[in-house]
Amino acid sequence: QKEVEQDPGPLSVPEGAIVSLNCTYSNSAFQYFMWYRQYSRKGPELLMYTYSSGNKEDGRFTAQVDKSSKYISLFIRDSQPSDSATYLCAMSGGDSSYKLIFGSGTRLLVRP
Amino acid sequence: SQTIHQWPATLVQPVGSPLSLECTVEGTSNPNLYWYRQAAGRGLQLLFYSVGIGQISSEVPQNLSASRPQDRQFILSSKKLLLSDSGFYLCALEQGAKEKLFFGSGTQLSVL
Repeated sequence: QKEVEQDPGPLSVPEGAIVSLNCTYSNSAFQYFMWYRQYSRKGPELLMYTYSSGNKEDGRFTAQVDKSSKYISLFIRDSQPSDSATYLCAMSGGDSSYKLIFGSGTRLLVRP
Repeated sequence: SQTIHQWPATLVQPVGSPLSLECTVEGTSNPNLYWYRQAAGRGLQLLFYSVGIGQISSEVPQNLSASRPQDRQFILSSKKLLLSDSGFYLCALEQGAKEKLFFGSGTQLSVL
């Protein structure tokens, strides 16, 4: 079993839709949860950073962590064609390890 | 602001040939630097991590090596490339926390 599971998609939605992207994980030691956005042939960029459980909102983006279910989500409201990208979840245990564990990414396409 | 320079953007190399990818950073001193590899449809795999000049931690045994000859320079090398070395190579630096990575634009390596 992979430490982090993420549906590869692609997920195709019309412009203006609410998008829900998800990851599940198996390691209960994970404390930090991130979402990175990666445009085609570019490096990922940090989108959201969350510690422990709860919600975090930044503009049209909301990150949600449910540690009891080992499940994290990223919601995008009023999706735009410019949101079309691959979204990678990442997490770490908050210990001395320098390693982040990444999901394989979900490809999102927002149709005009 | 911090900048990461990676070159070349695209590279095609024959099996058995050597490799040298260079990453240089600007706008920061004594950064923690990373080399990641992203294979098609897969998550990011940590290859090497460096906290300073000459200090390299290897995450995955393979025919790749890394060196950090200067504070802001991180080099990924191979003496003989394998087909399985194909992938998207990304250099990254920490921005205040190991969970907050800033990535370069990457090098797409195809080994034929």
